[in-house]
Amino acid sequence: AQKITQTQPGMFVQEKEAVTLDCTYDTSDQSYGLFWYKQPSSGEMIFLIYQGSYDEQNATEGRYSLNFQKARKSANLVISASQLGDSAMYFCKGKGNTGKLIFGQGTTLQVKP
Amino acid sequence: GAVVSQHPSRVICKSGTSVKIECRSLDFQATTMFWYRQFPKQSLMLMATSNEGSKATYEQGVEKDKFLINHASLTLSTLTVTSAHPEDSSFYICSALQGRGANTEAFFGQGTRLTVV
Repeated sequence: AQKITQTQPGMFVQEKEAVTLDCTYDTSDQSYGLFWYKQPSSGEMIFLIYQGSYDEQNATEGRYSLNFQKARKSANLVISASQLGDSAMYFCKGKGNTGKLIFGQGTTLQVKP
Repeated sequence: GAVVSQHPSRVICKSGTSVKIECRSLDFQATTMFWYRQFPKQSLMLMATSNEGSKATYEQGVEKDKFLINHASLTLSTLTVTSAHPEDSSFYICSALQGRGANTEAFFGQGTRLTVV
């Protein structure tokens, strides 16, 4: 069965420092995509960044970047220059050939001033 | 990006009553929508896949008679929690698929916080 694993239930980071959130996708699909979402306390799901398995380069989007390791099927999210507003829950989502969308357990990030 | 509107954002209802939650894709047509349930500090749990013009596909353990899903048009799916009980209190969120094949992306509604008293 396909599974998304986020090993860090909670993370702390000092404001202005970088932080890495882990995500691994257990799938037999060769073609897949990994997405990251931010969910603040309001509940809305905010799309951050996407990495396709056939993308040549690591995805970047502003302060967000992915450390994509194809062999491990992992796409760790790196947030640079953390801000207080980055405090939220972060979810990794996988999409394989079946089309089903699978979420990881989530990581709660707290940015300290 | 595409916009998905979910309504209401917050609802409080009495035990035994039914509550309807709407999920609309505002600027695109969505043949497939998903309904999720989320408990505090936990991940999104897929409840069902809603396909326009056909019956919804429910995940294992989700009561289809309890959580009625109707996807009557390409822009609207509704989730009705019937005979609600306090244990149904949760955050419900929908997402709608846009595009086809490898270019498919899911867009989320704002979520509905349901409290059953």
